[in-house]
Amino acid sequence: GAGVSQSPRYKVTKRGQDVALRCDPISGHVSLYWYRQALGQGPEFLTYFNYEAQQDKSGLPNDRFSAERPEGSISTLTIQRTEQRDSAMYRCASSLAGEGYNEQFFGPGTRLTVL
Amino acid sequence: GQNIDQPTEMTATEGAIVQINCTYQTSGFNGLFWYQQHAGEAPTFLSYNVLDGLEEKGRFSSFLSRSKGYSYLLLKELQMKDSASYLCAVIDSNYQLIWGAGTKLIIKP
Repeated sequence: GAGVSQSPRYKVTKRGQDVALRCDPISGHVSLYWYRQALGQGPEFLTYFNYEAQQDKSGLPNDRFSAERPEGSISTLTIQRTEQRDSAMYRCASSLAGEGYNEQFFGPGTRLTVL
Repeated sequence: GQNIDQPTEMTATEGAIVQINCTYQTSGFNGLFWYQQHAGEAPTFLSYNVLDGLEEKGRFSSFLSRSKGYSYLLLKELQMKDSASYLCAVIDSNYQLIWGAGTKLIIKP
């Protein structure tokens, strides 16, 4: 596709439910990043992949959060047993390569609301 | 710890010039980005600096001083559409992108 796409764009769920957020990066981009962004703040790093390998997951808040990119393209961020504090905008970005000059292209985000 | 500092908010007048500063303390340095983010939208790339000096791109310029841990984004001939948040981000020694909280720029007629 022309840009990074994410789905769903909006997700409302009840506390305790699991959610899966999808990211489809720009074709050919090696690196894929997941961020969480609160209103009025910069992106907060969660995790990133080079191809299918998860390079760094130090930003994941706790073990309810996990991510995968099994074929080195589409990625899924899964939040288990959601809590109200998980409500946020979740953004995905991709770049040609993970090192050096690596302009990141962002997707439109998924707005998650946990009731 | 790693830290990126930017002013929270700035106000400027249409047609004028504004300079948005960014200071950083990070474990290593492999480049600095400026991104623009309109309300409710995704951040979009503006500039990248890795060497000291000024990079000019149309109405926007970005400056870097690595010895001072300092950068600024200069916007000239301000237009109403320039009202947005401007995010400074630094690539650290692990090639992680460390983001500032952003500067909300308000343009008044």
